[in-house]
Amino acid sequence: GQNIDQPTEMTATEGAIVQINCTYQTSGFNGLFWYQQHAGEAPTFLSYNVLDGLEEKGRFSSFLSRSKGYSYLLLKELQMKDSASYLCAGMDSNYQLIWGAGTKLIIKP
Amino acid sequence: IAGITQAPTSQILAAGRRMTLRCTQDMRHNAMYWYRQDLGLGLRLIHYSNTAGTTGKGEVPDGYSVSRANTDDFPLTLASAVPSQTSVYFCASSDGGTTDTQYFGPGTRLTVL
Repeated sequence: GQNIDQPTEMTATEGAIVQINCTYQTSGFNGLFWYQQHAGEAPTFLSYNVLDGLEEKGRFSSFLSRSKGYSYLLLKELQMKDSASYLCAGMDSNYQLIWGAGTKLIIKP
Repeated sequence: IAGITQAPTSQILAAGRRMTLRCTQDMRHNAMYWYRQDLGLGLRLIHYSNTAGTTGKGEVPDGYSVSRANTDDFPLTLASAVPSQTSVYFCASSDGGTTDTQYFGPGTRLTVL
């Protein structure tokens, strides 16, 4: 079956670094997405990885290892506005997204 | 209009009633999607449309129907609502490019009593 696993909740301190992990099992693989979702709002696109390695985009970076079925989202210099849920999604062979339940990130001052 | 709009923002509905959730995009995206999001679960695909005139079933299609008469609009209909359809519904569209990134509307919060 297809499955995405990520931690339910994480807590970090303002100004620090946090890594949110995601493991995936999909039928075929056409990339791994990360979205940010603030409470009561729509998910917004953060990053896409299809090749192994690290993609850096400002304070946010995303890593993929296809052989391990593993990805992480790295957030640096945390700000209070980064408090949100982070959704991991794998794209299968039919180009459909399989979604994890999301990781709620709580930032403390 | 800029991006994707959904209507209504929220709705309380009696069980057994018919309801249509509206979704409109102005980005000329070919593909559109309907998801439901429930606490503790990931987004689950209800129906999708790869292009105007075609639709397909997702993971949880039962009790829902869609149509795609043109590129911009993708309404979702609940023929006879049940309490288990209480959820937040998101419409999305994708650009079909190399990454096929999906962009989401603001959502409709539906409560079925």
